Amino acid sequence: EPEVTQTPSHQVTQMGQEVILRCVPISNHLYFYWYRQILGQKVEFLVSFYNNEISEKSEIFDDQFSVERPDGSNFTLKIRSTKLEDSAMYFCASSARRFETQYFGPGTRLLVL
Amino acid sequence: KNEVEQSPQNLTAQEGEFITINCSYSVGISALHWLQQHPGGGIVSLFMLSSGKKKHGRLIATINIQEKHSSLHITASHPRDSAVYICAVRDTDKLIFGTGTRLQVFP
Repeated sequence: EPEVTQTPSHQVTQMGQEVILRCVPISNHLYFYWYRQILGQKVEFLVSFYNNEISEKSEIFDDQFSVERPDGSNFTLKIRSTKLEDSAMYFCASSARRFETQYFGPGTRLLVL
Repeated sequence: KNEVEQSPQNLTAQEGEFITINCSYSVGISALHWLQQHPGGGIVSLFMLSSGKKKHGRLIATINIQEKHSSLHITASHPRDSAVYICAVRDTDKLIFGTGTRLQVFP
């Protein structure tokens, strides 16, 4: 069964460093999402992406964040200058069409020291 | 802004018991999702529903649009059902998540 994959599974970085989190959505899906979950808190929406552009973003998704689909398979989330409060589990999700079931990747646990 | 509330926050059960988890939301929606989060963190989509009832194996999800309420039922619960169950409502392109219900089923 097709699935969303994410790399790395864990990343530790120093405050102020740039990180890139990678996702490979399900191959025929057209809508892509990033969510995050700070430890002990609920999952929060960051951004949705369709047709090579952001379709919606939350107030969390400020200028430090960017997303890109650099080729036909990868979908990346970049954090330019990480802060301690960026420590969280980051989930990528994809759906075949708008408003359909979103399939989640296993997550990348980011720890900013 | 839609507020999504779940109850209970924590639930323990003996194997075989019937489980009910509730979700309420504040603003009318087009669809509601139930998801399962495993101890390792991975999230699996269980149901997406916009009206009525859906069943998959021992899991049943219902929604009452007028009352802005949904329930997830697990029949004949099993220790492998132990996980966090999360309700999420769709708001345009994004999902708004509840805080989750941590379920532990003991043999």
